[in-house]
Amino acid sequence: AQTVTQSQPEMSVQEAETVTLSCTYDTSESNYYLFWYKQPPSRQMILVIRQEAYKQQNATENRFSVNFQKAAKSFSLKISDSQLGDTAMYFCAFMKPRAFGNEKLTFGTGTRLTIIP
Amino acid sequence: DAGVIQSPRHEVTEMGQEVTLRCKPISGHNSLFWYRQTMMRGLELLIYFNNNVPIDDSGMPEDRFSAKMPNASFSTLKIQPSEPRDSAVYFCASSFKGQLEAFFGQGTRLTVV
Repeated sequence: AQTVTQSQPEMSVQEAETVTLSCTYDTSESNYYLFWYKQPPSRQMILVIRQEAYKQQNATENRFSVNFQKAAKSFSLKISDSQLGDTAMYFCAFMKPRAFGNEKLTFGTGTRLTIIP
Repeated sequence: DAGVIQSPRHEVTEMGQEVTLRCKPISGHNSLFWYRQTMMRGLELLIYFNNNVPIDDSGMPEDRFSAKMPNASFSTLKIQPSEPRDSAVYFCASSFKGQLEAFFGQGTRLTVV
């Protein structure tokens, strides 16, 4: 079974600063996918960024980037130029592929990020 | 597309009553997931379907919980009888193979008193 660990329950940072959220995982799979989801106070789960394990290049989406270290089983999220709208719970998630359809997501416990004006 | 639609958004019920949560996945998606979110346990998978067939229901807490997907555009999660410890936010999500991203509904906040 896969496990996902987020060791930072809460973080806060000043607006416009950079913040890094940590995530480690444990799996015996060689091919899998990793995700960061954002859950603002509205409760909606929103995909922020994803990484395919077979890709060495770290994924980036505008101000969001990841540092994927496959050997260390580490998958951190960096938010640059943080904005007030980035205030949310952030969940790291793991998924292994299936032949038909998609497999379930295994989530970490989340990091509550607060951007301070 | 309107996204994944869940109903109701909020449900308050008395202990012992039957509760039915509903989900309409995004048209064309062939995988549907039910997750539960609590402060104590975080986000956990209850059950998921591929092509309307249940694949993994190992997360269903006990026999009081049941889920159905009678067709590709509708799923239900039923709790009978409900208990206070079932209070949580229940999310439905859908995805399409090759797309990877799971799209979540707004969730149903269930309170059992």
